[in-house]
Amino acid sequence: DARVTQTPRHKVTEMGQEVTMRCQPILGHNTVFWYRQTMMQGLELLAYFRNRAPLDDSGMPKDRFSAEMPDATLATLKIQPSEPRDSAVYFCASGLAGEAFFGQGTRLTVV
Amino acid sequence: AQSVTQPDIHITVSEGASLELRCNYSYGATPYLFWYVQSPGQGLQLLLKYFSGDTLVQGIKGFEAEFKRSQSSFNLRKPSVHWSDAAEYFCAVGAMDSSYKLIFGSGTRLLVRP
Repeated sequence: DARVTQTPRHKVTEMGQEVTMRCQPILGHNTVFWYRQTMMQGLELLAYFRNRAPLDDSGMPKDRFSAEMPDATLATLKIQPSEPRDSAVYFCASGLAGEAFFGQGTRLTVV
Repeated sequence: AQSVTQPDIHITVSEGASLELRCNYSYGATPYLFWYVQSPGQGLQLLLKYFSGDTLVQGIKGFEAEFKRSQSSFNLRKPSVHWSDAAEYFCAVGAMDSSYKLIFGSGTRLLVRP
């Protein structure tokens, strides 16, 4: 059963620390999305890739967030330095023909 | 740029009653349209999608949605709600151009009365 895998599922870190979230997209999918979900803002599109090339990262705070796809099986989202306002659930999704399949998310708490 | 509006933050229905969740979108051309469902602590699951063709689409779990171009709407319906349908529902619009940007609405939380 193909699925998007995100690690870690939960992360608690101190303010100022670097956080790396990983995503393994479904094999064969050529589009990868990163979303952030909070009660106040809902689901925000942070960045997305097509064939590993970044198409749009305008939703990310550029000074502290970065997203990469070092290869077709791995997407990463890094926050450095982390801040309490970054606390949220971060979702990765992958797709091929217009639809997106979501991972279970990484719940990040920055204290 | 596309956008999605879900005007209802919460909806409560009785088990066995019919359901309609509203979704309006803004996009310069015919978009891809989706409905997703999210249970607490889970990721989003695709319920159904519209790309082209028949404007009434069937999805999983007995859900259907109708694309109405004249109203820029893509409302989700179910004839008889089950208690297990209680969850949050998200409408999404995807661009059909090369950007393939996928934007979500703010969600509607469905509560089901026994």
